[in-house]
Amino acid sequence: RKEVEQDPGPFNVPEGATVAFNCTYSNSASQSFFWYRQDCRKEPKLLMSVYSSGNEDGRFTAQLNRASQYISLLIRDSKLSDSATYLCVVNCSSNTGKLIFGQGTTLQVKP
Amino acid sequence: EAGVAQSPRYKIIEKRQSVAFWCNPISGHATLYWYQQILGQGPKLLIQFQNNGVVDDSQLPKDRFSAERLKGVDSTLKIQPAKLEDSAVYLCASSFSRGGLHGYTFGSGTRLTVV
Repeated sequence: RKEVEQDPGPFNVPEGATVAFNCTYSNSASQSFFWYRQDCRKEPKLLMSVYSSGNEDGRFTAQLNRASQYISLLIRDSKLSDSATYLCVVNCSSNTGKLIFGQGTTLQVKP
Repeated sequence: EAGVAQSPRYKIIEKRQSVAFWCNPISGHATLYWYQQILGQGPKLLIQFQNNGVVDDSQLPKDRFSAERLKGVDSTLKIQPAKLEDSAVYLCASSFSRGGLHGYTFGSGTRLTVV
């Protein structure tokens, strides 16, 4: 079983749509959780951290369910510029900065 | 603030040849990471340095891969001999401290093609 699992998609949505991505992780001792965005042929960049209480940044909302070991990302009012791969990322230890990445979910927003 | 610098940007080699990648982390970042990203997958950690010491190299194929960070700043990753399955993007990242994720930044990567 993969440590972090995501549906690779692609998700093809029209502009203005709401889209949700899900992710599960296997290590119950995982400490920190993130969503990264990766554009084609670019490096991953931090989109947002994910907290148990849920957090929102503009059109983006992230949620963490520790009991179910489940992370989600909701994007409202999708823009063409949101087209990218979204990587679910977990850090398992406070002693190391090792990040464990899911394979990513590809989003294509169409006009 | 300057980002994580990597070179070369692209490299094409034949199988069984050797290749080296270079990384210069953000100034002041004690921790440096090398990740391998195969097409269609997420990045996978190969090795983590804290200053010039290795913290984690459990997923580094040590029969062919080596890495060093002699002065605790720049780092090089070497593959010798390369195999077709080594074709990937090699990403360097750095952060302020070993366990902290503060300032975690990736470089733009080196895209390796082995033919």
